[in-house]
Amino acid sequence: AQSVSQHNHHVILSEAASLELGCNYSYGGTVNLFWYVQYPGQHLQLLLKYFSGDPLVKGIKGFEAEFIKSKFSFNLRKPSVQWSDTAEYFCAVKVMGTDKLIFGTGTRLQVFP
Amino acid sequence: DAGVIQSPRHEVTEMGQEVTLRCKPISGHDYLFWYRQTMMRGLELLIYFNNNVPIDDSGMPEDRFSAKMPNASFSTLKIQPSEPRDSAVYFCASSSSEGLNTDTQYFGPGTRLTVL
Repeated sequence: AQSVSQHNHHVILSEAASLELGCNYSYGGTVNLFWYVQYPGQHLQLLLKYFSGDPLVKGIKGFEAEFIKSKFSFNLRKPSVQWSDTAEYFCAVKVMGTDKLIFGTGTRLQVFP
Repeated sequence: DAGVIQSPRHEVTEMGQEVTLRCKPISGHDYLFWYRQTMMRGLELLIYFNNNVPIDDSGMPEDRFSAKMPNASFSTLKIQPSEPRDSAVYFCASSSSEGLNTDTQYFGPGTRLTVL
């Protein structure tokens, strides 16, 4: 069965530190890839997505992600985090020809001023 | 567009009572998904519809849960009877199979359900 792994369950950073959150998936075919963010007490919001083309995708709020097909990875990065980035981050994969998003378990990010 | 709309935002009820959660998807979207989020189990897909037809309900916990989509702009998730372990945040999401944002799910604000 397809699965999505987010190895970092809880990340604590100081403001201005660089961020990289890992995401790996277990399907070898064509996939669409997503990162969602959930701020405390709020719903999931789309941060960025990759469907095809340039494997380096830029999203909102200075986030970017790189699709590395050979590694089945779609890691999320931000060069300098802010306190307002404190949230939970979910990676999700949609296998072509299916309807469902397969979500990772999420990574909780805490940024301290 | 107003986005996905859910009501109520908060619901507190007593064990054994019927609970109905409502969702209005984004206009023009042909897919609607119901999720449940808890600390213990994370985000779980309960059921999804395509063109108002239930496609996969394998995530519905048990027969106490039912979902309907009578038309393209409205869906309900019903729990009868409710139990304390049903306490969670229930999200509705919708997506379109066409256009620039195909396959991208947009989430509603959620309903926080507490069953006492």
